[in-house]
Amino acid sequence: QKEVEQDPGPLSVPEGAIVSLNCTYSNSAFQYFMWYRQYSRKGPELLMYTYSSGNKEDGRFTAQVDKSSKYISLFIRDSQPSDSATYLCAMIRTTGGSYIPTFGRGTSLIVHP
Amino acid sequence: NAGVTQTPKFQVLKTGQSMTLQCAQDMNHEYMSWYRQDPGMGLRLIHYSVGAGITDQGEVPNGYNVSRSTTEDFPLRLLSAAPSQTSVYFCASSSSRPPADTQYFGPGTRLTVL
Repeated sequence: QKEVEQDPGPLSVPEGAIVSLNCTYSNSAFQYFMWYRQYSRKGPELLMYTYSSGNKEDGRFTAQVDKSSKYISLFIRDSQPSDSATYLCAMIRTTGGSYIPTFGRGTSLIVHP
Repeated sequence: NAGVTQTPKFQVLKTGQSMTLQCAQDMNHEYMSWYRQDPGMGLRLIHYSVGAGITDQGEVPNGYNVSRSTTEDFPLRLLSAAPSQTSVYFCASSSSRPPADTQYFGPGTRLTVL
């Protein structure tokens, strides 16, 4: 079993829909949880990150972490065609001073007009 | 600012050949790293550097060497290329260790080893 599981999709939604992207993980030592957006043939860009549990909101994006269920989510409100991209979750465990991130394999999102 | 630049964009090698992937940033970032991205595998950290003269291994360091003689540059060397190293390679930089500071990724180098 991989440490971080992410459904590769593709996830296809109409413009304006609320999108829910999710990752599950198995290692309870993860403390930082990040979401990246990657357009085709480009490098990833960080959307947001959270430390430990809770919610974080930035514009149309909301990140949620449920450490009891080992489950993280990214919600996109009022989705736009420009949101079409691959979304990667990533996690970092800080035990032992190591900050090596573990990435999910990404979910492909298609928002059609 | 050019941000993070990588050269070349594409490269085809034969098994056993060596090459260096170049990475440069003009943001005066201390932290730089190299990732590889394979289909169905996600990004994996190869090597990273917290400043000039300091490098450390990531998750998949075997077959790769790095050095950091300046703040701006962080080249990745493949000593003897193998087909298993066919991948897309991304360099990234940030002011400090992520995620405390945003990592900026380069556009990637697509490497094929025959």
